[in-house]
Amino acid sequence: QVTLKESGPGILQPSQTLSLTCTFSGFSLSTYGMGVGWIRQPSGKGLEWLANIWWDDDKYYNPSLKNRLTISKDTSNNQAFLKITNVDTADTATYYCARIAGTMGITTTGFDYWGQGVMVTVSS
Amino acid sequence: DIRMTQSPASLSASLGETVNIECLASEDIYSDLAWYQQKPGKSPQLLIYNANSLQNGVPSRFSGSGSGTQYSLKINSLQSEDVATYFCQQYNNYPLTFGSGTKLEIK
Repeated sequence: QVTLKESGPGILQPSQTLSLTCTFSGFSLSTYGMGVGWIRQPSGKGLEWLANIWWDDDKYYNPSLKNRLTISKDTSNNQAFLKITNVDTADTATYYCARIAGTMGITTTGFDYWGQGVMVTVSS
Repeated sequence: DIRMTQSPASLSASLGETVNIECLASEDIYSDLAWYQQKPGKSPQLLIYNANSLQNGVPSRFSGSGSGTQYSLKINSLQSEDVATYFCQQYNNYPLTFGSGTKLEIK
């Protein structure tokens, strides 16, 4: 059974760094073809893809966030991480992690399992 | 970036009806398209991948079709539990992009 769960600070101030953790089970990020992605959703709005990390440590980022993102993984503890530097109110959203499968950095399935999401508020 | 234009933005239909949601990509995405259902207060769930492949456990009243730049999600025999927002997503190229969503309500 595949499960994912996000955790984060809840609230932080503008200019701080947001650190998110995705703890998962039922698959391994050391297995060929496995990956984890991060997606966010402001309240009442649409979905925005942020970053993917693959089993071979290949990483992809949304260029719209202009080098503010860093994705990483801890394979032995079944975790993936996302850092967003210099946050502002526009980063207020629910953040999801989701499993992705494929090869050569490209998925063949879309995001097939999602976490429950973690709400993050940026406010002074 | 590949733009995904989804229509309609909202939709109201009666129980038992058939509904269609459209997604237009700004360039050919070679069927690298997924559809997700998001119920209120919940995370998205994958319904369809590769434009027309039904994800395990998804009811067969959901189906996907299309190719090139034009794709659609069809829901046959609408049920009350289908009330949700539906999103398309392309994964042909980075950055991965989503449609803006279609909110489905029961009339």
